[in-house]
Amino acid sequence: EAGVAQSPRYKIIEKRQSVAFWCNPISGHATLYWYQQILGQGPKLLIQFQNNGVVDDSQLPKDRFSAERLKGVDSTLKIQPAKLEDSAVYLCASSLVLAGGSQETQYFGPGTRLLVL
Amino acid sequence: DAKTTQPPSMDCAEGRAANLPCNHSTISGNEYVYWYRQIHSQGPQYIIHGLKNNETNEMASLIITEDRKSSTLILPHATLRDTAVYYCIVRPLTGNQFYFGTGTSLTVIP
Repeated sequence: EAGVAQSPRYKIIEKRQSVAFWCNPISGHATLYWYQQILGQGPKLLIQFQNNGVVDDSQLPKDRFSAERLKGVDSTLKIQPAKLEDSAVYLCASSLVLAGGSQETQYFGPGTRLLVL
Repeated sequence: DAKTTQPPSMDCAEGRAANLPCNHSTISGNEYVYWYRQIHSQGPQYIIHGLKNNETNEMASLIITEDRKSSTLILPHATLRDTAVYYCIVRPLTGNQFYFGTGTSLTVIP
């Protein structure tokens, strides 16, 4: 079974530029998550989708971050404009939705490492 | 906020059992204990999870105390490839509250 795919793996940009990350979840997984992991910290949830709808985006800095999952499969996360403190690894994860709405285990992609100069 | 407390780092000799503790004293009845690990430059990898009973799979064993306020992840025969940051997470059966905390950095020593 193919895992969660993410691209690019690495990105270097200057502050105030824009950047986009792409995620392809495991086939059949209805739920998709984006996490931000700053060096030395654990991952922090930014946004959760179920199919193409947003379940939770309370931790997403909406003034500069946006995410979409238009067809309920692939997703993109965008930062516009980037700040120095956005330097981090951006992780995508996906999970099945079980009967009754409970969430199965989350499976993570390799992440995109962003450096903002 | 993370609901778990873990030691920041541990060492383990290769071939010996690695016992990683986790305190989750505020865990509620519908919350599971999950363990993930993150090897350098990779995404977190699922290891095991449990609710009340002890669990074992091909990777590890999870021992949960009777009052559920703490748990221990056991890697029975640690190898160098087990060097990673190990995260203990409590999460409800439904919902997305998946707080990672800072984890335990396990170093397996040859």
